[in-house]
Amino acid sequence: QKEVEQNSGPLSVPEGAIASLNCTYSDRGSQSFFWYRQYSGKSPELIMFIYSNGDKEDGRFTAQLNKASQYVSLLIRDSQPSDSATYLCAVNIQGAQKLVFGQGTRLTINP
Amino acid sequence: GAGVSQSPSNKVTEKGKDVELRCDPISGHTALYWYRQSLGQGLEFLIYFQGNSAPDKSGLPSDRFSAERTGGSVSTLTIQRTQQEDSAVYLCASSRQYQETQYFGPGTRLLVL
Repeated sequence: QKEVEQNSGPLSVPEGAIASLNCTYSDRGSQSFFWYRQYSGKSPELIMFIYSNGDKEDGRFTAQLNKASQYVSLLIRDSQPSDSATYLCAVNIQGAQKLVFGQGTRLTINP
Repeated sequence: GAGVSQSPSNKVTEKGKDVELRCDPISGHTALYWYRQSLGQGLEFLIYFQGNSAPDKSGLPSDRFSAERTGGSVSTLTIQRTQQEDSAVYLCASSRQYQETQYFGPGTRLLVL
C-alpha cells in the first residue's frame, strides 16, 4: 500500500459546481496534512494545511480531515476554470523527516 | 519577501557529464528539501537538510547523486555522470522548521541528451 494515495483523475467538473478531491494515507500517526496546487509547467503552491480533525475553510476551499478513517479531502466550491490544475496531497509521515506526496489528481473545470 | 530561488532554470547536458543545481531557500528557513518530478509524475523525495543535523539522504536514487548545504543556507545538488533517466524537474523547497509548510522554488528543468 502506498503511503499517500490519490485518484490520478482526470476529474472533470462543470464551472460553478463543487469539486471534491480525496486522499488516503497509511500511517495512523501522521499529524499534518497539506494540499498543494500545481499548474502545468509550474512548481507546487500551498493551498491549505490542516492538523485537526474536522473542517477548515479558506475562501472557496475547505479541507476535511478524518484521522480515524485516515483520509483528507479538499472541496472547491464555485469551481472556476482557473482552478484547473493538479492537486497534490502531502502528509508528514510520523517519524520521517519529510513530506510524502501523493501522485496528484488532475482537475479540469469545464466552462 | 523573496521566495525560494533555484538556478539554472533550465539545463541541457550530454550523457555522462556532471551537473550542479543550486537552491537558495527563504531567509531564516532551517529546513531544505530536494525533490524530483518526472514528466506527468508525482514528487519524488531526494534529500532533506535540517539545521546542522546530518541530512536525510534516504531518497537519493543512486550514489551519482549528492547534495550539500553550506552555512545552513544555500544548497547544491550534484548529479555525476548524468543518464537520460535523470531528465526531470528538480524542485527545492524550504520550511521554517521541520514539519511546517514547505515553499517551493520554480525548479530546474534538466534534460540529458
